[in-house]
Amino acid sequence: AQSVTQPDIHITVSEGASLELRCNYSYGATPYLFWYVQSPGQGLQLLLKYFSGDTLVQGIKGFEAEFKRSQSSFNLRKPSVHWSDAAEYFCAVGATTYGNKLVFGAGTILRVKS
Amino acid sequence: GAVVSQHPSWVICKSGTSVKIECRSLDFQATTMFWYRQFPKQSLMLMATSNEGSKATYEQGVEKDKFLINHASLTLSTLTVTSAHPEDSSFYICSASGTSGFNEQFFGPGTRLTVL
Repeated sequence: AQSVTQPDIHITVSEGASLELRCNYSYGATPYLFWYVQSPGQGLQLLLKYFSGDTLVQGIKGFEAEFKRSQSSFNLRKPSVHWSDAAEYFCAVGATTYGNKLVFGAGTILRVKS
Repeated sequence: GAVVSQHPSWVICKSGTSVKIECRSLDFQATTMFWYRQFPKQSLMLMATSNEGSKATYEQGVEKDKFLINHASLTLSTLTVTSAHPEDSSFYICSASGTSGFNEQFFGPGTRLTVL
């Protein structure tokens, strides 16, 4: 069965420091990969997506992610974190084989300390 | 980008009453709409998938008689929580996607339901 793992429930980084959020997936099909961000009580905002092509994708707010098929990973990175980046981040995976449904990871809560 | 709205953004109701939540795609035609539920400090769990003009497909464990979904047009889907109880209190989020191939889902802002 398809699954998405975000190993870190909470991450705390200092403002200005670099960030990497991990995402691993198990999928029996060519995956489509997404990272979303959610602020408390809000809906989801798409940060970036990977469908095909260049495995390093750029997103909004200075985020990027790299698809590594050999590692079944799609880690999210940002070189310098801002206090406004504090939120919860969800990795999601989908495939046409599964009716375009998305499977979400458990989420990683990012705290930024000044 | 594509915009999806939800109404209401929050609702408080008494136990035993029914609540309807609307999900609209404002600037595109949504062939498929998805309804998710999110408990506090948890991830999104897919409840059901609805295609315009068809019956919704519910995920395992979701009571279709309790969570009625109607996708009457290419821009509107509704979720009705019937005979709501406190355990139905949650954050409900819809998403919409267009036609052909694998389509990105565009998410609504969510509806906070509190059942007293």
